[in-house]
Amino acid sequence: QSVLTQSPSASGAPGQRVTISCSGSSSNIGSNNVYWYQQLPATAPKLLIYGNNQRPSGVPDRFSGSKSGTSASLAISGLRSEDEADYYCAAWDDSLSGRVFGGGTKLTVL
Amino acid sequence: EVQLVESGGGLVQPGGSLRLSCAASGLTFSDYYMDWVRQAPGKGLEWVGRSRNKANSYTIEYAASVKGRFTISRDDSNNSVYLQLNSLKTEDTAVYYCARALTATTRGLGYWGQGTLVTVSS
Repeated sequence: QSVLTQSPSASGAPGQRVTISCSGSSSNIGSNNVYWYQQLPATAPKLLIYGNNQRPSGVPDRFSGSKSGTSASLAISGLRSEDEADYYCAAWDDSLSGRVFGGGTKLTVL
Repeated sequence: EVQLVESGGGLVQPGGSLRLSCAASGLTFSDYYMDWVRQAPGKGLEWVGRSRNKANSYTIEYAASVKGRFTISRDDSNNSVYLQLNSLKTEDTAVYYCARALTATTRGLGYWGQGTLVTVSS
């Protein structure tokens, strides 16, 4: 059971917008930055969003992050087949004194 | 370009030990936090622990699931971080990744190694 809660799956057609949610608590999302990672099959994770809504250089602006209270969301617009991957949210947890990840959301592009 | 290369994985019996290494390219290694993250077969990501940077006294932090069994260390002169795995259990079977923060001041893991597989089995 992950500390951060994500829906196990999401899907959308090419060109559509999809949103992946991440629910936490006051000790993690509620008081710390949220990060989002993309993991393509058989590859290492890649940082998509840091500081709740900042994109590292090279990440397309189709990817955007937001946070409200103890929840966060990753939105992907203009969905492409290459976006099919697992997506993980993460945050520091003050109670656990450790980094916590969501269980991951598998995105399928129909 | 930043590169992280892990080594040291393999097959080990329950109760055994293994030492993983992660060699990093790039300058000022001491400026960065270095994390270890693992992923069991078919499962999600699990944080193992991290070494803070020189400015934060190289403080080491561990996940509760590995505290007391795993030890993180680093050698800035060799741009390397290590993960000593002791008293291994079958549930420690996973791909182990080392990861570096994107910048010296952000905590997002912007650079990852390719991972090294640890299999704990008799």
